[in-house]
Amino acid sequence: EIVLTQSPATLSLSPGERATLSCRASQSVDIYLAWYQQKPGQAPRLLIYDASNRATGIPARFSGSGSRTDFTLTISSLEPEDFAVYYCQQRFHWPPITFGQGTRLEIK
Amino acid sequence: QVQLMQSGTEVKKPGSSVKVSCTASGGVFSTYAISWVRQAPGRGLEWMGGIVPLFGTANYAPKFQGRVTITADESTSTAYMELASLTSEDTAIYYCARASDSGTYYYFDFWGQGTLVTVSS
Repeated sequence: EIVLTQSPATLSLSPGERATLSCRASQSVDIYLAWYQQKPGQAPRLLIYDASNRATGIPARFSGSGSRTDFTLTISSLEPEDFAVYYCQQRFHWPPITFGQGTRLEIK
Repeated sequence: QVQLMQSGTEVKKPGSSVKVSCTASGGVFSTYAISWVRQAPGRGLEWMGGIVPLFGTANYAPKFQGRVTITADESTSTAYMELASLTSEDTAIYYCARASDSGTYYYFDFWGQGTLVTVSS
C-alpha cells in the first residue's frame, strides 16, 4: 500500500500570502496524484489531477507540481475561502487508492 | 450537472450491518466508477472500494475485503455499499464519489452529500 505523508499538518497564513503544501509518497506514483479541498461539513472537492492539471472550474491561483514521490500544491495568493483542509490522493498503485492525512490551512 | 444523492443517517448496533445507497442523476451512470470513501470523526479520507456499474465487478481495499459489498443497479442509477460486522470504529461519514474518467477509478470529481453512520450499543 502506498503511504502518502503530508506536511505540514497545520499551516497558518494570512489572506494574500502564498501557501505551499507538500505530499510525499512512500514509493513512486509517477504523476498520478490529485489534490482535494474539504471545508467543514462538506464533501471534498477535486482541485488538481495528474499532479498539475486543474480540475474544471478551479481558479488559476491553485497549481500543482511534482512527480514520482514528491508533490506540491501551491496557492499563489490566499483568498478567505481557501482556508480548509487539503488532501492528496494517489491512484497509481491500487487497490487501495490512498489519501494523505491532510493539511489544515488556517487563518493566522 | 452530475448529482449524487445518498440515503439518510443510520444508527446501528455493534455486530449488525448497514447498507447505504447513492443515486446518480444528470450524467452517464453505467460507465463511471462509483467509489465509497469514509471519514471518521476528525479524521482523514479512506477509500473502501468501488464499482463500474457496466462491468458489475467491485474492487475493494484489502482492509475491507470480506466485510464490505458494493453493488450497482443500472436500472435505477443507484450504487450501494453494505458494511457488515460493525464496530464503533466504523462510526464515520460515508461518501459515494464518481470517477472523473469513464471506465476508471482514477480521481473523484463528483461526491454525494455523505451519510453519517453511528455504531453504538
